[in-house]
Amino acid sequence: QSVLTQPPSVSGAPGQRVTISCTGSSSNIGASYDAHWYQQLPGAVPKLIIYGNNNRPSGVPDRFSGSKSGTSASLAITGLQAEDEADYYCQSYDSRLSAVVFGGGTKLTVL
Amino acid sequence: QVQLVQSGAEVKKPGASVKVSCKASGYTFTKYAISWVRQAPGQGLEWMGWISAHNGNTDYAQNFQGRVTMTTDTSTRAVYMEVTSLRSDDTAVYYCTRDLVGAAGTGWWFDPWGQGTLVTVSS
Repeated sequence: QSVLTQPPSVSGAPGQRVTISCTGSSSNIGASYDAHWYQQLPGAVPKLIIYGNNNRPSGVPDRFSGSKSGTSASLAITGLQAEDEADYYCQSYDSRLSAVVFGGGTKLTVL
Repeated sequence: QVQLVQSGAEVKKPGASVKVSCKASGYTFTKYAISWVRQAPGQGLEWMGWISAHNGNTDYAQNFQGRVTMTTDTSTRAVYMEVTSLRSDDTAVYYCTRDLVGAAGTGWWFDPWGQGTLVTVSS
């Protein structure tokens, strides 16, 4: 299983708000390492959507936001749109493993 | 624009080796490291390691130590990743991606990603 734990799936209706959690431990997110988030549309390459816990790269809509507290991080998507249907992955660094770690991914379904 | 372009799909037999290339453009090549991340069919993302394009220093994830070698050629702005002793569970899409580091040193993230190279290991 993954070092970072994400729910396998979440869903929401268009226009709603959804959140995706990413639970780590004292050797990664809890050790002050940042969390980052990627969106992978079906059949596409992963795309960075949040870096440094809560920063959006240029071109990413402000409907996407990130936060971090303790050993967990969260991705929130407001005003859900059909085009947001994708897999979402969190990523951090783990000092015990001395390695970059990813969450197992969360499939977002827009109802 | 910043771009990473990878070599094409490969089909290999168990026990063989594969070498995937990643050519960078649109930025100062030697200022950034490159990581490799793989994704097995229907599975999540797995970090394999990184290489400094500045001095060729490498760091491999424990799962891949002894079987993976990353190299760089600054004259052609290319990075290479070789996996030896291939097994069927090495079947995956392999991505190269540029490493970005925050000023606070609290880890790094990846942007952009190459288009991916499908490596199929089958007898």
